[in-house]
Amino acid sequence: DTGVSQDPRHKITKRGQNVTFRCDPISEHNRLYWYRQTLGQGPEFLTYFQNEAQLEKSRLLSDRFSAERPKGSFSTLEIQRTEQGDSAMYLCASSLADRASYEQYFGPGTRLTVT
Amino acid sequence: SQQGEEDPQALSIQEGENATMNCSYKTSINNLQWYRQNSGRGLVHLILIRSNEREKHSGRLRVTLDTSKKSSSLLITASRAADTASYFCATDAEGVTGGGNKLTFGTGTQLKVEL
Repeated sequence: DTGVSQDPRHKITKRGQNVTFRCDPISEHNRLYWYRQTLGQGPEFLTYFQNEAQLEKSRLLSDRFSAERPKGSFSTLEIQRTEQGDSAMYLCASSLADRASYEQYFGPGTRLTVT
Repeated sequence: SQQGEEDPQALSIQEGENATMNCSYKTSINNLQWYRQNSGRGLVHLILIRSNEREKHSGRLRVTLDTSKKSSSLLITASRAADTASYFCATDAEGVTGGGNKLTFGTGTQLKVEL
């Protein structure tokens, strides 16, 4: 257990539905990252926050995806109008980058299946 | 997009043998990190090596970094069955404030350690 938690762990949804995932980082970590991983591939970056500010978004993140970190603590990732291609493992990570500690600690992931 | 390429894609060894995995990348980095992932689970941080370091040890792990060749290697000595997992290298590009930016992962090496 790295101290990063994600909820839910599994989500099955029908195409066209909206889904929201939550990530709780390690409490003193100021940076929070979202990645997506499909079978047989390494994780791909989606977006990251420093405190409540969203610093970077990947071009993978279409308009259907939105992420927030309202108080600089937990974060949510919402996917609107899900498509079958959104089926993947969504991983959250956090780091203490403001103290030059760049290791990222990952949560267990949320596995999304779109039917 | 995946920046790194791990080599080999798959490796099968006997318990007690050493395992070596290689990683190549394309851009300038602040640091390079290695992660382990057991089947269908989250990533576990193994070791971080900064761009000004050439070698680092942690327990049975030894990591080398050659920035002139944009490559790294991970050596696991005296392997155990519990080391069976996928191993990923991930690069943290040099940013305005140093590291702690998005990680760009390779495609991974699947290691199987047999009894």
